[in-house]
Amino acid sequence: AQKITQTQPGMFVQEKEAVTLDCTYDTSDQSYGLFWYKQPSSGEMIFLIYQGSYDEQNATEGRYSLNFQKARKSANLVISASQLGDSAMYFCAMREHAGGTSYGKLTFGQGTILTVHP
Amino acid sequence: NAGVTQTPKFQVLKTGQSMTLQCAQDMNHEYMSWYRQDPGMGLRLIHYSVGAGITDQGEVPNGYNVSRSTTEDFPLRLLSAAPSQTSVYFCASSRLAGGSTDTQYFGPGTRLTVL
Repeated sequence: AQKITQTQPGMFVQEKEAVTLDCTYDTSDQSYGLFWYKQPSSGEMIFLIYQGSYDEQNATEGRYSLNFQKARKSANLVISASQLGDSAMYFCAMREHAGGTSYGKLTFGQGTILTVHP
Repeated sequence: NAGVTQTPKFQVLKTGQSMTLQCAQDMNHEYMSWYRQDPGMGLRLIHYSVGAGITDQGEVPNGYNVSRSTTEDFPLRLLSAAPSQTSVYFCASSRLAGGSTDTQYFGPGTRLTVL
């Protein structure tokens, strides 16, 4: 069974500094997708970044990058130049390869609350 | 393009009442799903659908029914509400073209309280 682990319940960062949010995963699949979502206090789930298991380069989207280490089964999110608006809950999630009874299911970690200080 | 919409945003029910949470998407996505979010547990899959007329159970399906008569709509029915169903409910949709690669986009959520 798939499992996502986020070991940091809460993280603090100074505005304009970089921060890394940890995510490790466990799966027996060879093909899978890794996602990060942001959930601000307003409650919506905002997609940030995606990494495919066969992608050789780390994904980047603006200030977000994903540090993908396949052998270690880790997919850490790096936020550069933190902003006050980055304060939110961040979820790491994994999606199974097509097929099987749980096709398309996203398995979520428990989340990390990031607080950006001015 | 409204994306994924959910109604209502808030709902209070009494134990034993039934209701339907509505979800619609205008992106022509084949895949739609319902998750519930409880404190400290991330999101858990309730039911999902890979197309009109096709639904299947997720991780926590008990107490919920779904149907998918059109590509756009995927309502979630609570048959007899229980306090354990107090939660925030999210609907999500995605393409199916790439399998694991397809990003799921979420609706704004419905906050349900069962007294």
